[in-house]
Amino acid sequence: GNSVTQMEGPVTLSEEAFLTINCTYTATGYPSLFWYVQYPGEGLQLLLKATKADDKGSNKGFEATYRKETTSFHLEKGSVQVSDSAVYFCAFLYNAGNMLTFGGGTRLMVKP
Amino acid sequence: DVKVTQSSRYLVKRTGEKVFLECVQDMDHENMFWYRQDPGLGLRLIYFSYDVKMKEKGDIPEGYSVSREKKERFSLILESASTNQTSMYLCASAYGQGGETQYFGPGTRLLVL
Repeated sequence: GNSVTQMEGPVTLSEEAFLTINCTYTATGYPSLFWYVQYPGEGLQLLLKATKADDKGSNKGFEATYRKETTSFHLEKGSVQVSDSAVYFCAFLYNAGNMLTFGGGTRLMVKP
Repeated sequence: DVKVTQSSRYLVKRTGEKVFLECVQDMDHENMFWYRQDPGLGLRLIYFSYDVKMKEKGDIPEGYSVSREKKERFSLILESASTNQTSMYLCASAYGQGGETQYFGPGTRLLVL
């Protein structure tokens, strides 16, 4: 069935380190792909998205590229900050559908 | 900016109580969703609604019902709360066409004793 697999956390990094959070999906067709972020005590916020193969979503220094051949949408940031500490969720949505499928979330902790 | 609000941030209820969680959005979105979030399980869809008085079951509808009497408001109802319904509940909304971005509320953390 359809699913999203994310690397398990927590991921602990020092400030200014390079971040990669892996995400792969299993789905038929070509869904839209999303990264959502949840800061402590808050709901989910859309971080970035990509709607077709080879698209790159970017926001706040984060990037992810829709790789159809590897069914992946890995999240990257060149230099993390303490304020990036949060839980990150990968998700996909069929372009004609309304039901998001989420990964389990990855907690990122950035230390000064 | 899209605004999705939920009636409570924290709620404590006893087993067997009837619980209402309310969600309101101000962007005239057709679609609204209720999820629960549990550690390690990500978000799981309970119910969604694509129009007033319309609803569809999600992945885990058992023990829950919903109500959508007005376009901007979507209520989640626990008819008889149980301890395994202790969770974070998140509401979201989106435009009616398929594939649209969902916007989330701040969540309600429910504890059932």
